Amino acid sequence: SAVISQKPSRDICQRGTSLTIQCQVDSQVTMMFWYRQQPGQSLTLIATANQGSEATYESGFVIDKFPISRPNLTFSTLTVSNMSPEDSSIYLCSVVSFSYEQYFGPGTRLTVT
Amino acid sequence: AQSVTQPDIHITVSEGASLELRCNYSYGATPYLFWYVQSPGQGLQLLLKYFSGDTLVQGIKGFEAEFKRSQSSFNLRKPSVHWSDAAEYFCAANYGGSQGNLIFGKGTKLSVKP
Repeated sequence: SAVISQKPSRDICQRGTSLTIQCQVDSQVTMMFWYRQQPGQSLTLIATANQGSEATYESGFVIDKFPISRPNLTFSTLTVSNMSPEDSSIYLCSVVSFSYEQYFGPGTRLTVT
Repeated sequence: AQSVTQPDIHITVSEGASLELRCNYSYGATPYLFWYVQSPGQGLQLLLKYFSGDTLVQGIKGFEAEFKRSQSSFNLRKPSVHWSDAAEYFCAANYGGSQGNLIFGKGTKLSVKP
C-alpha cells in the first residue's frame, strides 16, 4: 500500500483568501485524485491530477477555483481559491496502486469563516 | 449514470451482534468494488475489495463482503461487532479500471450499543 501525507492537516481561513494543500506519496504513482467531503457527506471527486498535463475536472468543478499542479509522480497540490464558507470541507488526495486499490491521505480539514 | 447506493443512513447494533451493511451498484458492467471505513476525524481505510473470482471476499478487522451479480449488491458483513467498529462505512465502485476514479455511496453510520 502507498503512504500518503497531506499538509496542512487543518486550517481556518478567511473568506476571499486561498489555500494550497500538498499531497506527498512515498512511491511513484500514475493516477492521483482530489476529493472533497463536505460536512456529513460522502466523497465527491474534484479532479484527476495528471503528471505532465492539465488536470481533468469533474462536472461542477473548474480550474480557476481549484487549480491543481502535478510536477512529478509523487507530489500534487490543490489550491482552493477565493474561498467562501461553502468551501468548508475535508479535502483528500488519493492514489491508485498497480493492483487498482485506491488509498487515501489523512485529509485536510478546511474551515472558512 | 453510474452510481452506488447505500440504503441505510444509520444503523445501530449491540456489541457482539452480527452486522450487515447494504450496498448496491448501478447495473451494467461489473465494477471493481470496495468498502472503506472512516472513523471520526480519520481518513479512509480500505477494508476489502472485489475485482473478480470468488464472490466472498475477506478483509481486515474481521469483515467480509459478498458480491451478488443478480442483485447488483456487495454487502459488508461481520459476525460479531466490537465497540471499536463504530464508524462511517462507505461502499465505492470503480467503473473505469486502471483509469477509473471511485464513485462513493453516501455512507452508513454504524453505532454500537454496549
